Amino acid sequence: QITLKESGPTLVKPTQTLTLTCTFSGFSLNTHGVGMGWIRQPPGKALEWLALIYWDDDKRYSPSLKSRLTLTKDTSKSQLVLTMTDMDPVDTGNYFCAHYGSETETFDYWGRGALVTVSS
Amino acid sequence: DIVMTQSPLSLPVIPGEPASISCRSSQSLLHSNGYNYLNWYLQKPGQSPQLLIYLGSIRASGVPDRFGGSGSGTDFTLKISKVEAEDVGVYYCMQGLQSPRTFGQGTKVDLK
Repeated sequence: QITLKESGPTLVKPTQTLTLTCTFSGFSLNTHGVGMGWIRQPPGKALEWLALIYWDDDKRYSPSLKSRLTLTKDTSKSQLVLTMTDMDPVDTGNYFCAHYGSETETFDYWGRGALVTVSS
Repeated sequence: DIVMTQSPLSLPVIPGEPASISCRSSQSLLHSNGYNYLNWYLQKPGQSPQLLIYLGSIRASGVPDRFGGSGSGTDFTLKISKVEAEDVGVYYCMQGLQSPRTFGQGTKVDLK
């Protein structure tokens, strides 16, 4: 059974760095074809893809946010960490981590999300 | 970036009746392996998105067979054969052919 859970601060100030951790179980990020990603959703708006990391440590980032994002995986702890620098109020939203399946080749299991508010 | 455009953006439905949502991509999503890299998600109120259809037409595990995906290239459709009350929420298409992955604007389905 695959489960994912996001954790991190609920409130960050403008210009600060956000660090979110996704703790997962039921799979290994070392398995060929498997990956994990981050997707966010501003309140009342559509989903926006942020980043994806594959089993071989290949990383892909949203071009519009690439300079601000970093993905780091810790397979020994079954965790994936997303850092986003220089936070702005427009970055307020729900941040989801998701499992990328080798068979589905898409995000097939999602966490419940972490709501992040950017405000001074 | 591949732009995904959904229609309609709002869809009132009657339980027991069929419903369909359209999704168009700005580039073909047909891979040389023969699969269309188009996925459908449903986000029920207050929940995270759940995968309904992947690779254009394959139902995800546990998804009822009243949901069906079709289309190829740039034009895709999600059909619900007989809507049930639990099907309300926002439906998104997402292309998985290339990065950046991109989503449609979402189609809000609610009961008429």
